[in-house]
Amino acid sequence: ETGVTQTPRHLVMGMTNKKSLKCEQHLGHNAMYWYKQSAKKPLELMFVYNFKEQTENNSVPSRFSPECPNSSHLFLHLHTLQPEDSALYLCASRKGASASSGANVLTFGAGSRLTVL
Amino acid sequence: AQSVTQPDIHITVSEGASLELRCNYSYGATPYLFWYVQSPGQGLQLLLKYFSGDTLVQGIKGFEAEFKRSQSSFNLRKPSVHWSDAAEYFCAVSTTSGTYKYIFGTGTRLKVLA
Repeated sequence: ETGVTQTPRHLVMGMTNKKSLKCEQHLGHNAMYWYKQSAKKPLELMFVYNFKEQTENNSVPSRFSPECPNSSHLFLHLHTLQPEDSALYLCASRKGASASSGANVLTFGAGSRLTVL
Repeated sequence: AQSVTQPDIHITVSEGASLELRCNYSYGATPYLFWYVQSPGQGLQLLLKYFSGDTLVQGIKGFEAEFKRSQSSFNLRKPSVHWSDAAEYFCAVSTTSGTYKYIFGTGTRLKVLA
């Protein structure tokens, strides 16, 4: 399998549930990203990891907890979410996370559609 | 502040007609520029990118875009639209220093009439 794979593709959860989104990339990239896509809003960057270290947290509420155990895997742990957190969550990867490492592009997964009831 | 503006939220064209999607950006230096396409329920697929050099760049699926520094624009064009081009199109600028990240526009939804 190649590219960026996200699971599950669809998730419905109650506000008191705890769930996780998973992202896996088979591209040999070192940087991984979480973006949130809500209707009628630009894609919002949430987190950036470079070589498993978090390099960016875009003021994301603590009910979203990322985890990057290695350069190929990225998780987004969800707990006590609100209905306004319903969105498409996109994972992306890149060869390096530093802008100076070259003009690489981000490769995106298909996304996980989250609905919070 | 860095920003990307896509002034057209929706565009409808007839199949076979030409297409131009507008994108304007605000960035302090020469940016890296991208166009992505998103079909329903899917992630973002890269159409084309501009890093430097020739300001007219060719992409996949017959798309091209022209970087105009004086207008801070990076408009996407296609001479003849196919029904399968119906999707949402996103323009993005990436940072060229610090942590590499994209800033996206709000997207333009393209509808193609048979």
